[in-house]
Amino acid sequence: DADVTQTPRNRITKTGKRIMLECSQTKGHDRMYWYRQDPGLGLRLIYYSFDVKDINKGEISDGYSVSRQAQAKFSLSLESAIPNQTALYFCATSDFRDSRNTQYFGPGTRLTVL
Amino acid sequence: TQLLEQSPQFLSIQEGENLTVYCNSSSVFSSLQWYRQEPGEGPVLLVTVVTGGEVKKLKRLTFQFGDARKDSSLHITAAQTGDTGLYLCAGPLANAGGTSYGKLTFGQGTILTVHP
Repeated sequence: DADVTQTPRNRITKTGKRIMLECSQTKGHDRMYWYRQDPGLGLRLIYYSFDVKDINKGEISDGYSVSRQAQAKFSLSLESAIPNQTALYFCATSDFRDSRNTQYFGPGTRLTVL
Repeated sequence: TQLLEQSPQFLSIQEGENLTVYCNSSSVFSSLQWYRQEPGEGPVLLVTVVTGGEVKKLKRLTFQFGDARKDSSLHITAAQTGDTGLYLCAGPLANAGGTSYGKLTFGQGTILTVHP
């Protein structure tokens, strides 16, 4: 079984709808991250969490919110989706003991906002 | 502005050719990582380079960290169709004193296509 799972894998929604992307991990890592990937822009950090009570904004948090329900679960919400949020979204984890912050990624969610 | 600049952005070559991908920055990094991402999957770590001037080999892939720890390169010898994918470099963000923020910054990626 995969260590980091994401649901759904694909989602098509309409402008203005609220959607939630979910991430679960079995790696036992405290740190979890949400990234967005767009062609030519690499991976950009949306939000990150170092433990259940810690939530931090990344470089592109506007229009997004997150919830850390448990050490193993970190969800990303789009309160009112807009077309420029169409992208590939990745969840990742890392071990706080790793000073290099090596990231372990889920398989991604492809989101299309019409 | 990207903290890490990768070049080229696209690379299309024939099987058997050699290639080099570059990752450059004006900032010093304590380490740099290289990830590979295949379609439908998340990025997977290939290697981490830590020491200035370090060279690491992973079969046909050779990774080098610049002496000043501001740049890195990935060289593939005799590319194969299985090397096709997106290659990303990444480095940990830290303050001037070297304390990690627990985050990585990524380059924009190099899309490699190897044709049979």
